[in-house]
Amino acid sequence: KQEVTQIPAALSVPEGENLVLNCSFTDSAIYNLQWFRQDPGKGLTSLLLIQSSQREQTSGRLNASLDKSSGRSTLYIAASQPGDSATYLCAGDRGSTLGRLYFGRGTQLTVWP
Amino acid sequence: KAGVTQTPRYLIKTRGQQVTLSCSPISGHRSVSWYQQTPGQGLQFLFEYFSETQRNKGNFPGRFSGRQFSNSRSEMNVSTLELGDSALYLCASIAYQGQRAEAFFGQGTRLTVV
Repeated sequence: KQEVTQIPAALSVPEGENLVLNCSFTDSAIYNLQWFRQDPGKGLTSLLLIQSSQREQTSGRLNASLDKSSGRSTLYIAASQPGDSATYLCAGDRGSTLGRLYFGRGTQLTVWP
Repeated sequence: KAGVTQTPRYLIKTRGQQVTLSCSPISGHRSVSWYQQTPGQGLQFLFEYFSETQRNKGNFPGRFSGRQFSNSRSEMNVSTLELGDSALYLCASIAYQGQRAEAFFGQGTRLTVV
C-alpha cells in the first residue's frame, strides 16, 4: 500500500511569498505523482504530473519536483496570490496498480492580501 | 474538449435507500475511477473500470458497486444507504500513455444521507 503524508496541514501567508508544500510517500515503486488543487466543495483540478523518470515539472508559477530515492515531492508556488487559496493534494500510484491514486490529506493554503 | 461530467451534483437520500451516480469521462478516455471524500478519511479509492471491466477495487463493502458502459460512461451504485455514506463522490477520467497515467476529476456528487 502507498502511504502519502503532506506537511504542513495548513499554511497562512501574505500575498507575494514563495511557498513550498511537501509530500512524502512510502512506496518507492511510484510511477506517477500528481498535484491537485481543490476549492471548497468542488472537484480536483490537476496541476502537475511527474512521472518516475522525471525530476520536475513546471507550469507558470508552479514547480513540482520528485525524488524517488527519498520518497518526497515538493510543490513550489512562486509569488503567491489570494487566488491561490485552496487545498493542495498530492497523490501517487504504484507500479502494480497504475492509475489507482493514494492521496495525502492535503495542505490548506490561505494567502491574504 | 469537454471535461468530466458527474450527475447529479447534489443528492439527499434516506437511510436504507439506494442511489446511482453517473460519470461521463473525457472523450477518448477508456478508464474511470471513483473516489469517496469525507472529512474524516480524506480521499478513498472505490474502484476503477477500464473498457467495461473492473480492474482495481478498494476496501469498501459490497454495497458499493459500479459498472461501465461501452461508451465509457460509468455508474456507481450504493445500496442500503447508511449515514456514514454521506460524502463527496468524485469520478476521475484517466489518460493512459504507456506507464503515464494522468487523472482528471469531475466536480463530484455531494450525497447526504438522512
